[in-house]
Amino acid sequence: AQSVTQLDSQVPVFEEAPVELRCNYSSSVSVYLFWYVQYPNQGLQLLLKYLSGSTLVESINGFEAEFNKSQTSFHLRKPSVHISDTAEYFCAVSRPVSGGYNKLIFGAGTRLAVHP
Amino acid sequence: NAGVTQTPKFQVLKTGQSMTLQCAQDMNHNSMYWYRQDPGMGLRLIYYSASEGTTDKGEVPNGYNVSRLNKREFSLRLESAAPSQTSVYFCASSPPPGTGGSTDTQYFGPGTRLTVL
Repeated sequence: AQSVTQLDSQVPVFEEAPVELRCNYSSSVSVYLFWYVQYPNQGLQLLLKYLSGSTLVESINGFEAEFNKSQTSFHLRKPSVHISDTAEYFCAVSRPVSGGYNKLIFGAGTRLAVHP
Repeated sequence: NAGVTQTPKFQVLKTGQSMTLQCAQDMNHNSMYWYRQDPGMGLRLIYYSASEGTTDKGEVPNGYNVSRLNKREFSLRLESAAPSQTSVYFCASSPPPGTGGSTDTQYFGPGTRLTVL
């Protein structure tokens, strides 16, 4: 069975500072990896994902994450955060299955608070 | 294109009351899901429907029932609400393979905040 551990429940940071949100997973099989973001009072939105190929994946708003198979990690980074990045971030894994659907296993979430 | 819609947005119930949470998607997705979100626990899957006509239990199905009414709609029913079911409920959907969309991305609704007193 897969599981996801997000190592920090809250990360406070000042605007324009870099940030890293840590995610480790456990699985005995190959997995897909995701970061979802939840802005206040909204549903979750996909931020970025790793399926295969290049281990570094990027989002359109400056976040990036690197898949590290040996360390079973998928940490999320941004070199310079904005106030608008304040949100809760969820790391998730899924196992490739047939049948046209996937079951996501979510971490507990990391609340990123960006201060001016 | 509204995406995934959920009703109601907020609900307060007394212990023992029943209610149905509604979810609909207009993206022609095959698969639909119900999650609950509790502080410090992330999202946990309650039930899912891989395709119209099928439903399966997820991680925390006790106390809930679901109906996949048609391809668009997937409802979640609480027959006898309990305070432990106080949570935020999210519905999600994902596209079928071979349609140009990714089977690996789920699209979430805005959520229903439920309080059981």
